[in-house]
Amino acid sequence: GAVVSQHPSRVICKSGTSVKIECRSLDFQATTMFWYRQFPKQSLMLMATSNEGSKATYEQGVEKDKFLINHASLTLSTLTVTSAHPEDSSFYICSAPKLGTGELFFGEGSRLTVL
Amino acid sequence: DAKTTQPPSMDCAEGRAANLPCNHSTISGNEYVYWYRQIHSQGPQYIIHGLKNNETNEMASLIITEDRKSSTLILPHATLRDTAVYYCIVRVNSNSGYALNFGKGTSLLVTP
Repeated sequence: GAVVSQHPSRVICKSGTSVKIECRSLDFQATTMFWYRQFPKQSLMLMATSNEGSKATYEQGVEKDKFLINHASLTLSTLTVTSAHPEDSSFYICSAPKLGTGELFFGEGSRLTVL
Repeated sequence: DAKTTQPPSMDCAEGRAANLPCNHSTISGNEYVYWYRQIHSQGPQYIIHGLKNNETNEMASLIITEDRKSSTLILPHATLRDTAVYYCIVRVNSNSGYALNFGKGTSLLVTP
């Protein structure tokens, strides 16, 4: 079946540094990818939609300058958390709809801990 | 997307059937019912979806009422590995794909 892979699965960084998370569709193409954030004991919250070849669209309340999204190819989207702070510590999950069918596949998630 | 209502938690004995209900009384005619689950610290996993007919696959069965205002996900023989948060989501189907809006889901605990 179709697979979406995220890297890294876990990352610990110091406050003030930037962290990049990659989301790859391994055996299908995706013109859009979705980025979610999940805090402990809460549900997934949609942050932004990554669009191949154009700017990402952000949900209300999500700072586009803090969460930089790049969708450089039909199989790769990256989320960069800039100047990370402890409150950015969370579980970040991407998903990608398979081009042509719209079936939605999720990555394994990336756990970010900011010290 | 139509709003869904699920019980916050349920218990089920291992080997028994787990029946997870979902209310979606405002569902539109072109909206499907999707079920996903999330095991702790993993990404969501697709289980099943349907429009109005009952559906079955290797993981579960989906029973949708005739008026489509509610549905039930059935795990026929629950195992400990089925302990997870189960999300019922209604949305239109699209070849280009829409993001899913997750509610709070039902936390299912399967006990030995």
